[in-house]
Amino acid sequence: EDQVTQSPEALRLQEGESSSLNCSYTVSGLRGLFWYRQDPGKGPEFLFTLYSAGEEKEKERLKATLTKKESFLHITAPKPEDSATYLCAVQATYFNKFYFGSGTKLNVKP
Amino acid sequence: SQTIHQWPATLVQPVGSPLSLECTVEGTSNPNLYWYRQAAGRGLQLLFYSVGIGQISSEVPQNLSASRPQDRQFILSSKKLLLSDSGFYLCAWISGSWGEQYFGPGTRLTVT
Repeated sequence: EDQVTQSPEALRLQEGESSSLNCSYTVSGLRGLFWYRQDPGKGPEFLFTLYSAGEEKEKERLKATLTKKESFLHITAPKPEDSATYLCAVQATYFNKFYFGSGTKLNVKP
Repeated sequence: SQTIHQWPATLVQPVGSPLSLECTVEGTSNPNLYWYRQAAGRGLQLLFYSVGIGQISSEVPQNLSASRPQDRQFILSSKKLLLSDSGFYLCAWISGSWGEQYFGPGTRLTVT
Protein backbone atom coordinates (compact mmCIF):
# COMPACT_ATOMS: atom_id res chain seq x y z
CA GLU A 1 0.00 0.00 0.00
CA ASP A 2 1.29 3.43 -0.92
CA GLN A 3 1.94 5.61 2.11
CA VAL A 4 3.93 8.52 3.49
CA THR A 5 5.25 8.92 7.05
CA GLN A 6 6.71 12.11 8.46
CA SER A 7 8.81 12.54 11.58
CA PRO A 8 8.97 14.06 14.05
CA GLU A 9 5.35 15.13 14.51
CA ALA A 10 6.53 18.31 16.22
CA LEU A 11 9.89 20.03 16.49
CA ARG A 12 10.88 22.96 18.66
CA LEU A 13 14.09 24.79 17.78
CA GLN A 14 15.87 27.85 19.01
CA GLU A 15 16.52 30.50 16.41
CA GLY A 16 19.71 29.56 14.57
CA GLU A 17 19.54 25.88 15.59
CA SER A 18 19.69 23.81 12.39
CA SER A 19 17.78 20.52 12.05
CA SER A 20 16.15 18.12 9.58
CA LEU A 21 12.64 16.84 8.95
CA ASN A 22 12.11 13.35 7.59
CA CYS A 23 9.62 11.98 5.07
CA SER A 24 9.72 8.25 4.37
CA TYR A 25 7.57 6.76 1.64
CA THR A 26 6.50 3.51 0.05
CA VAL A 27 5.03 3.89 -3.40
CA SER A 28 4.87 1.68 -6.45
CA GLY A 29 6.86 3.86 -8.82
CA LEU A 30 7.66 7.41 -7.71
CA ARG A 31 6.66 10.14 -10.13
CA GLY A 32 7.53 12.98 -7.77
CA LEU A 33 7.95 13.97 -4.12
CA PHE A 34 6.70 17.35 -2.99
CA TRP A 35 7.27 19.55 0.05
CA TYR A 36 4.76 22.14 1.20
CA ARG A 37 4.60 24.71 3.96
CA GLN A 38 1.27 25.30 5.70
CA ASP A 39 0.54 28.21 8.02
CA PRO A 40 -2.39 27.93 10.46
CA GLY A 41 -5.76 28.37 8.78
CA LYS A 42 -4.28 28.55 5.28
CA GLY A 43 -3.81 26.27 2.31
CA PRO A 44 -0.45 24.55 1.78
CA GLU A 45 2.17 26.53 -0.12
CA PHE A 46 4.38 24.66 -2.59
CA LEU A 47 8.11 24.57 -1.78
CA PHE A 48 9.95 21.87 -3.76
CA THR A 49 9.56 19.01 -6.20
CA LEU A 50 12.08 16.15 -6.28
CA TYR A 51 11.97 13.51 -9.01
CA SER A 52 14.88 11.12 -8.57
CA ALA A 53 17.23 9.80 -5.89
CA GLY A 54 20.21 12.08 -5.34
CA GLU A 55 18.36 15.21 -6.34
CA GLU A 56 18.60 18.31 -4.14
CA LYS A 57 16.73 21.63 -4.17
CA GLU A 58 17.40 24.78 -2.13
CA LYS A 59 15.43 27.85 -1.24
CA GLU A 60 16.74 30.36 1.28
CA ARG A 61 17.27 28.42 4.54
CA LEU A 62 15.61 25.23 3.24
CA LYS A 63 17.21 22.35 1.40
CA ALA A 64 15.35 19.23 0.28
CA THR A 65 17.05 15.94 -0.58
CA LEU A 66 15.75 12.62 -1.90
CA THR A 67 16.84 8.99 -1.60
CA LYS A 68 15.05 5.87 -2.83
CA LYS A 69 13.10 5.54 0.41
CA GLU A 70 12.99 8.96 2.06
CA SER A 71 13.38 12.69 1.76
CA PHE A 72 14.83 15.21 4.16
CA LEU A 73 14.03 18.86 4.57
CA HIS A 74 17.07 20.53 6.12
CA ILE A 75 16.55 23.87 7.83
CA THR A 76 19.71 25.90 8.33
CA ALA A 77 19.80 28.65 10.96
CA PRO A 78 16.00 28.88 11.18
CA LYS A 79 14.17 32.07 12.07
CA PRO A 80 10.84 32.44 13.91
CA GLU A 81 9.12 33.12 10.58
CA ASP A 82 10.00 29.56 9.51
CA SER A 83 7.51 28.30 12.09
CA ALA A 84 4.80 26.35 10.25
CA THR A 85 3.69 22.82 9.46
CA TYR A 86 5.72 21.17 6.71
CA LEU A 87 3.92 18.58 4.60
CA CYS A 88 5.39 15.94 2.33
CA ALA A 89 3.49 14.30 -0.53
CA VAL A 90 4.24 11.72 -3.21
CA GLN A 91 2.68 10.97 -6.55
CA ALA A 92 2.86 7.47 -7.99
CA THR A 93 3.76 6.92 -11.62
CA TYR A 94 0.50 5.51 -12.88
CA PHE A 95 -2.00 7.50 -10.87
CA ASN A 96 -3.38 11.00 -10.67
CA LYS A 97 -3.48 10.79 -6.89
CA PHE A 98 -1.19 12.29 -4.29
CA TYR A 99 -0.43 10.76 -0.88
CA PHE A 100 0.28 13.15 1.97
CA GLY A 101 2.06 12.66 5.27
CA SER A 102 0.57 14.05 8.46
CA GLY A 103 3.17 16.81 8.63
CA THR A 104 5.82 18.13 11.01
CA LYS A 105 4.86 21.15 13.07
CA LEU A 106 7.94 23.34 13.43
CA ASN A 107 8.18 26.00 16.13
CA VAL A 108 11.23 28.27 16.09
CA LYS A 109 11.67 30.33 19.23
CA PRO A 110 13.58 33.63 19.21
CA SER B 1 -0.84 34.05 -13.50
CA GLN B 2 -3.01 31.32 -12.07
CA THR B 3 -5.32 31.87 -9.11
CA ILE B 4 -7.53 29.48 -7.19
CA HIS B 5 -10.55 30.63 -5.21
CA GLN B 6 -12.67 28.88 -2.63
CA TRP B 7 -15.85 29.98 -0.92
CA PRO B 8 -17.15 30.36 1.54
CA ALA B 9 -14.11 30.82 3.80
CA THR B 10 -16.01 29.74 6.91
CA LEU B 11 -19.24 27.84 7.34
CA VAL B 12 -21.22 26.66 10.36
CA GLN B 13 -24.01 24.24 9.53
CA PRO B 14 -26.36 22.05 11.62
CA VAL B 15 -26.35 18.28 11.32
CA GLY B 16 -28.61 17.12 8.51
CA SER B 17 -28.35 20.31 6.46
CA PRO B 18 -27.05 20.39 2.86
CA LEU B 19 -23.62 21.57 1.80
CA SER B 20 -22.16 23.23 -1.26
CA LEU B 21 -18.53 24.34 -1.45
CA GLU B 22 -17.18 25.91 -4.60
CA CYS B 23 -13.71 26.08 -6.08
CA THR B 24 -12.71 27.97 -9.23
CA VAL B 25 -9.37 28.29 -10.97
CA GLU B 26 -8.31 31.21 -13.13
CA GLY B 27 -5.50 31.52 -15.63
CA THR B 28 -5.26 27.92 -16.80
CA SER B 29 -7.28 25.46 -18.85
CA ASN B 30 -8.08 21.78 -18.40
CA PRO B 31 -6.52 21.47 -14.94
CA ASN B 32 -6.74 18.36 -12.81
CA LEU B 33 -8.77 19.34 -9.74
CA TYR B 34 -8.76 17.86 -6.23
CA TRP B 35 -10.80 18.09 -3.03
CA TYR B 36 -9.08 17.29 0.27
CA ARG B 37 -10.22 17.34 3.88
CA GLN B 38 -7.85 18.08 6.72
CA ALA B 39 -8.78 17.25 10.30
CA ALA B 40 -7.17 19.28 13.09
CA GLY B 41 -3.45 18.47 13.32
CA ARG B 42 -3.69 15.84 10.61
CA GLY B 43 -2.58 15.38 7.04
CA LEU B 44 -4.67 15.78 3.91
CA GLN B 45 -7.27 13.14 3.04
CA LEU B 46 -8.07 12.97 -0.66
CA LEU B 47 -11.84 13.01 -1.23
CA PHE B 48 -12.29 13.47 -4.99
CA TYR B 49 -10.29 14.28 -8.07
CA SER B 50 -11.28 15.22 -11.60
CA VAL B 51 -9.35 15.09 -14.87
CA GLY B 52 -12.04 16.83 -16.91
CA ILE B 53 -15.62 18.12 -17.11
CA GLY B 54 -18.03 15.56 -15.71
CA GLN B 55 -15.20 13.15 -14.80
CA ILE B 56 -15.07 12.52 -11.04
CA SER B 57 -13.12 9.88 -9.13
CA SER B 58 -14.17 9.21 -5.56
CA GLU B 59 -11.60 8.14 -2.99
CA VAL B 60 -13.76 8.12 0.13
CA PRO B 61 -17.30 6.68 -0.18
CA GLN B 62 -19.23 8.86 2.25
CA ASN B 63 -22.17 11.23 2.17
CA LEU B 64 -20.15 13.66 0.06
CA SER B 65 -20.25 14.09 -3.69
CA ALA B 66 -18.40 16.24 -6.21
CA SER B 67 -19.22 17.72 -9.57
CA ARG B 68 -17.33 19.56 -12.27
CA PRO B 69 -19.86 21.46 -14.37
CA GLN B 70 -17.25 23.65 -16.07
CA ASP B 71 -13.58 23.25 -16.91
CA ARG B 72 -12.34 25.40 -14.04
CA GLN B 73 -15.11 24.85 -11.49
CA PHE B 74 -15.22 22.10 -8.89
CA ILE B 75 -18.06 21.72 -6.40
CA LEU B 76 -18.25 19.62 -3.23
CA SER B 77 -21.73 18.76 -1.99
CA SER B 78 -23.67 16.86 0.61
CA LYS B 79 -27.39 16.28 1.02
CA LYS B 80 -27.19 15.76 4.79
CA LEU B 81 -24.17 16.76 6.86
CA LEU B 82 -22.81 14.62 9.69
CA LEU B 83 -20.79 15.79 12.69
CA SER B 84 -17.83 13.90 11.25
CA ASP B 85 -17.89 16.14 8.16
CA SER B 86 -16.36 18.99 10.16
CA GLY B 87 -12.91 19.96 8.99
CA PHE B 88 -10.82 22.16 6.74
CA TYR B 89 -11.64 21.59 3.07
CA LEU B 90 -9.01 22.34 0.48
CA CYS B 91 -9.24 22.51 -3.28
CA ALA B 92 -6.12 22.07 -5.41
CA TRP B 93 -5.16 22.03 -9.08
CA ILE B 94 -2.32 20.89 -11.27
CA SER B 95 -1.63 21.59 -14.91
CA GLY B 96 -1.73 18.27 -16.71
CA SER B 97 -1.63 14.98 -14.85
CA TRP B 98 1.56 15.34 -12.81
CA GLY B 99 3.58 17.93 -10.95
CA GLU B 100 3.14 20.14 -7.95
CA GLN B 101 -0.32 20.98 -6.69
CA TYR B 102 -1.46 24.51 -5.94
CA PHE B 103 -3.97 24.94 -3.16
CA GLY B 104 -6.78 27.33 -2.49
CA PRO B 105 -7.23 29.18 0.81
CA GLY B 106 -9.59 26.54 2.19
CA THR B 107 -13.05 26.43 3.79
CA ARG B 108 -13.41 25.84 7.51
CA LEU B 109 -16.60 23.79 8.02
CA THR B 110 -18.08 23.25 11.47
CA VAL B 111 -21.09 20.94 11.75
CA THR B 112 -23.04 21.49 14.98
